[in-house]
Amino acid sequence: EDQVTQSPEALRLQEGESSSLNCSYTVSGLRGLFWYRQDPGKGPEFLFTLYSAGEEKEKERLKATLTKKESFLHITAPKPEDSATYLCAVGAGGSARQLTFGSGTQLTVLP
Amino acid sequence: GAVVSQHPSRVICKSGTSVKIECRSLDFQATTMFWYRQFPKKSLMLMATSNEGSKATYEQGVEKDKFLINHASLTLSTLTVTSAHPEDSSFYICSARDGAGIYEQYFGPGTRLTVT
Repeated sequence: EDQVTQSPEALRLQEGESSSLNCSYTVSGLRGLFWYRQDPGKGPEFLFTLYSAGEEKEKERLKATLTKKESFLHITAPKPEDSATYLCAVGAGGSARQLTFGSGTQLTVLP
Repeated sequence: GAVVSQHPSRVICKSGTSVKIECRSLDFQATTMFWYRQFPKKSLMLMATSNEGSKATYEQGVEKDKFLINHASLTLSTLTVTSAHPEDSSFYICSARDGAGIYEQYFGPGTRLTVT
C-alpha cells in the first residue's frame, strides 16, 4: 500500500528564516511526486512534479528535490505570504492514476 | 492554463434535502475527474474517480447511493449529495487531469457544504 508521510506537521518561521519540509514515501512504481500549496478554505494549488531521483525544480522561493525515498521542499528567505499548508502526493501504477496524499505541513511565516 | 472551477463555493441546506455541486475544467478536456472530501485540518480524502461517459468508481466506505456522481462531458462532473444530514457537512473539492498519461491533478476552489 502506498504511503506518504510529511513532517513536521506544523512549522513556524520568522520572515527570512530558510527551512525545509520533508515528504517520505513508500510506493511501488513511482509515477511522480507532487507538491501542492493549499490556503485555508481553498483548493490545492499545483506547484511541482518530480519524476526521478536527483531531479530538482524551483519556483520563486521554493525548491523541490527528490531522492528514492523522500522529497524536500526548501523554502529560502520565506515571506508571510508563503504561509499555507503544503501537501505532498505520489502517483503510482494503476489505470485510475490516483494520487496518495500526505497529511500536509502547515507553514506559518511571521513578519 | 489548467483551470478548474466549482459551483457553488458555499451552500447551506436543510437536513433531508439534496445538493448538487458542479466541477468544470475551463481550458482543457478532463478525461478523469476526482472528488475529495476534506475535514478541518486534515488532508484530502478521495471519495470517487469518474471518467467521462462511464460510472464512477467509489472508494471503500463511500456510499454511492448517497454521493451521486455524473461525468456527462469532458468538461463537467457533478456530485449530488442526496438526503443530506449534518454529518455530511464538509469541504468538497474536485480535481481533474488532462490526458491518459498524465498524473498531475488540478483542483477546483472547493465547496463548503453546511447541512442544518
